[in-house]
Amino acid sequence: DAGVIQSPRHEVTEMGQEVTLRCKPISGHNSLFWYRQTMMRGLELLIYFNNNVPIDDSGMPEDRFSAKMPNASFSTLKIQPSEPRDSAVYFCASSFSGEYNEQFFGPGTRLTVL
Amino acid sequence: DAKTTQPPSMDCAEGRAANLPCNHSTISGNEYVYWYRQIHSQGPQYIIHGLKNNETNEMASLIITEDRKSSTLILPHATLRDTAVYYCIVSLPERQLTFGSGTQLTVLP
Repeated sequence: DAGVIQSPRHEVTEMGQEVTLRCKPISGHNSLFWYRQTMMRGLELLIYFNNNVPIDDSGMPEDRFSAKMPNASFSTLKIQPSEPRDSAVYFCASSFSGEYNEQFFGPGTRLTVL
Repeated sequence: DAKTTQPPSMDCAEGRAANLPCNHSTISGNEYVYWYRQIHSQGPQYIIHGLKNNETNEMASLIITEDRKSSTLILPHATLRDTAVYYCIVSLPERQLTFGSGTQLTVLP
């Protein structure tokens, strides 16, 4: 298995632009997580899905952020409009929601908003 | 979820065992202890988890005290590639993980 795949790996955009981050979880996993990591705040959970349904989006910072999971093999995190404070590394992770919480992380997308 | 306390940094000589401590004095009876690590510029990587008993896998050993208020992650023969931030997390199996600031382990040649 190729692991969790994220695209793009790097994104540089200007303030006000729409940004879409993509994630393909590991085949067979039924839970998907979006995290954001910054030096100031560390690694924060934004939202997670179970069986394609959003379970907890309390970590989504504001209405500018939205996430979708149209099917078991694809998810997007959208920021519209983007702001410089959104600059961070965004990680996607997936797991099988069994007895334990072993999450597999993707390589991340480094977002820079100018 | 119970909170954890870890030292901010540790050094270890290459080839020696690295023992990373974690305090979780408010852990509840059905919460697990998970360990992850994050090598620079990579996503976090699952290492090991346990409930009550000590656990061992190909990467590490996890020693949990009898009262479950603390644990130690042991890397038996640390290599330079083990330099990373190590996160100790306490959580219920079906709950999301909350990452703290972790321990920066530096393996020295």
